[in-house]
Amino acid sequence: AQSVTQPDARVTVSEGASLQLRCKYSYSATPYLFWYVQYPRQGLQLLLKYYSGDPVVQGVNSFEAEFSKSNSSFHLQKASVHWSDSAVYFCALSMITNAYKVIFGKGTHLHVLP
Amino acid sequence: ETAVFQTPNYHVTQVGNEVSFNCKQTLGHDTMYWYKQDSKKLLKIMFSYNNKQLIVNETVPRRFSPQSSDKAHLNLRIKSVEPEDSAVYLCASSHGLGGDTQYFGPGTRLLVL
Repeated sequence: AQSVTQPDARVTVSEGASLQLRCKYSYSATPYLFWYVQYPRQGLQLLLKYYSGDPVVQGVNSFEAEFSKSNSSFHLQKASVHWSDSAVYFCALSMITNAYKVIFGKGTHLHVLP
Repeated sequence: ETAVFQTPNYHVTQVGNEVSFNCKQTLGHDTMYWYKQDSKKLLKIMFSYNNKQLIVNETVPRRFSPQSSDKAHLNLRIKSVEPEDSAVYLCASSHGLGGDTQYFGPGTRLLVL
């Protein structure tokens, strides 16, 4: 069955540290993959997305993600986090073979210590 | 600036009442969605419409019904609310299907007493 797994429910890092948020997916066809961020009391906003081409994609606010077909992963990274990056991050999969239905991971709560 | 608008922001009601949530997008998109987000932030798609046609209708209770008057509006009606309906309901839109970015509204928070 198709799925998106974010294995880390909560991640805490210090300001200025590097960050990796993990995402694994299960889908037999070519996936559309997304990372969204949700700040408190707001809707989700797109950070970046991937379908084909260079497996490393750049997003807003210096985030980037790397797609790995062999590992079925799409991990999000940032070289140096800021306290304002504290939010909930969602990995999402859009499925061409299922009416483009989108499924979201459970989210990772990121807490950046000032 | 928000381009997907939702009203109300917050709604408190009693079990068995009917509620209706509104969503409007000013982005000129063809596709709109309703998601339910529970207290643990878990997101689940409920419905999606493309050009006013229902595309995805997940297994949600029959008391939930989407209403689309045109491509810019997708409302959600809950006929007889239950306590488990307490959640944040997020509306989103995208240009088309597939790999298009979804733009989300700020959500409507429902509390059922």
